[in-house]
Amino acid sequence: QKEVEQNSGPLSVPEGAIASLNCTYSDRVSQSFFWYRQYSGKSPELIMSIYSNGDKEDGRFTAQLNKASQYVSLLIRDSQPSDSATYLCAVSMDTGRRALTFGSGTRLQVQP
Amino acid sequence: EPEVTQTPSHQVTQMGQEVILRCVPISNHLYFYWYRQILGQKVEFLVSFYNNEISEKSEIFDDQFSVERPDGSNFTLKIRSTKLEDSAMYFCASSGLTGQPQHFGDGTRLSIL
Repeated sequence: QKEVEQNSGPLSVPEGAIASLNCTYSDRVSQSFFWYRQYSGKSPELIMSIYSNGDKEDGRFTAQLNKASQYVSLLIRDSQPSDSATYLCAVSMDTGRRALTFGSGTRLQVQP
Repeated sequence: EPEVTQTPSHQVTQMGQEVILRCVPISNHLYFYWYRQILGQKVEFLVSFYNNEISEKSEIFDDQFSVERPDGSNFTLKIRSTKLEDSAMYFCASSGLTGQPQHFGDGTRLSIL
């Protein structure tokens, strides 16, 4: 049974701060890792993808992957109230063709 | 930016009735998926479709579910005899060549009465 675990939150940070979101996964053969943002009542929106160990930066977002520890994280710099949403970690055995296994998500609240 | 389109946005159906949810994937994508999200729960994988056949399916995708690509643009999910527990948001997603992430449509909210 593949599991993806996230702290449900809410994680509350002040505007302008760094938000750190964490995710662990159980299946060692996982190869692809994704962060999606989901606003209430809306669909998942892709934020970042990462496939190899290390950091990947895209604007205010940095994804970090450590396959040995089975751990992936998302840092959001200069957090804005519009970043307030649920962040979903998703894991796949392949680089996009295979099923995504989602975590339950971490709710982020950015306080103005 | 190209996007996945789903219709209808909300479907209300009597228990036991058949329902068809429709999706138009991103035009140059080759892999298509259906996921569902019961209110307050995780997004769950149902089925993936490639080259006109199912490539992977979950335990949820039992005999009451079927998928079809009836033409070059549409991708459909049919639920033959709906149950109360089928009430959920159903998301269609698509991806291109290997290495491209999955992009989701806005979803169809299915309510079974």
